[in-house]
Amino acid sequence: DGGITQSPKYLFRKEGQNVTLSCEQNLNHDAMYWYRQDPGQGLRLIYYSQIVNDFQKGDIAEGYSVSREKKESFPLTVTSAQKNPTAFYLCASSTLNYGYTFGSGTRLTVV
Amino acid sequence: GENVEQHPSTLSVQEGDSAVIKCTYSDSASNYFPWYKQELGKRPQLIIDIRSNVGEKKDQRIAVTLNKTAKHFSLHITETQPEDSAVYFCAASRGANNLFFGTGTRLTVIP
Repeated sequence: DGGITQSPKYLFRKEGQNVTLSCEQNLNHDAMYWYRQDPGQGLRLIYYSQIVNDFQKGDIAEGYSVSREKKESFPLTVTSAQKNPTAFYLCASSTLNYGYTFGSGTRLTVV
Repeated sequence: GENVEQHPSTLSVQEGDSAVIKCTYSDSASNYFPWYKQELGKRPQLIIDIRSNVGEKKDQRIAVTLNKTAKHFSLHITETQPEDSAVYFCAASRGANNLFFGTGTRLTVIP
């Protein structure tokens, strides 16, 4: 699916629960990103990672955590501290000389 | 950091007419300017990009122009078709990593 796979496609979270969104790429891209998209809104950066074992907060990192133990993988955990997690989450990867490739997204809903 | 502004937020055109979406950026060191198309519920897809060493790039019905002095770039879609209806995002960055996105333009092509 374009070399970058997000799973699951739909995810339901109960109040107070942590959930983890998966993002895997086989493009050999160094950089990976997580964005949140609310209905009718643009893309807001949550976290990004330029290299393995290193990542930086984006504009809306509160209530989220990430890890980058492997080049191919950049999972995002939505913690119970994120009070309004219902949104569409997009993962992307890139190389130095070419723009982003996006995953197909995960739609998270709080129930 | 970079700040990208995008206008208009919504745009309706008659089928066959042209559509123009404009973006401005703040960081004079930005040198990579991609445009993404996002259909409802799907991932953003790169449709065209331009680097700061050229002023215009064209791909069939789509063209992008860049004015480095004024720090603005535009997407032009000619002979619009209903399948062009989507949300379009501009972005800017130094290199192709760490893109800063505009807030998006919802284009509707009326048959």
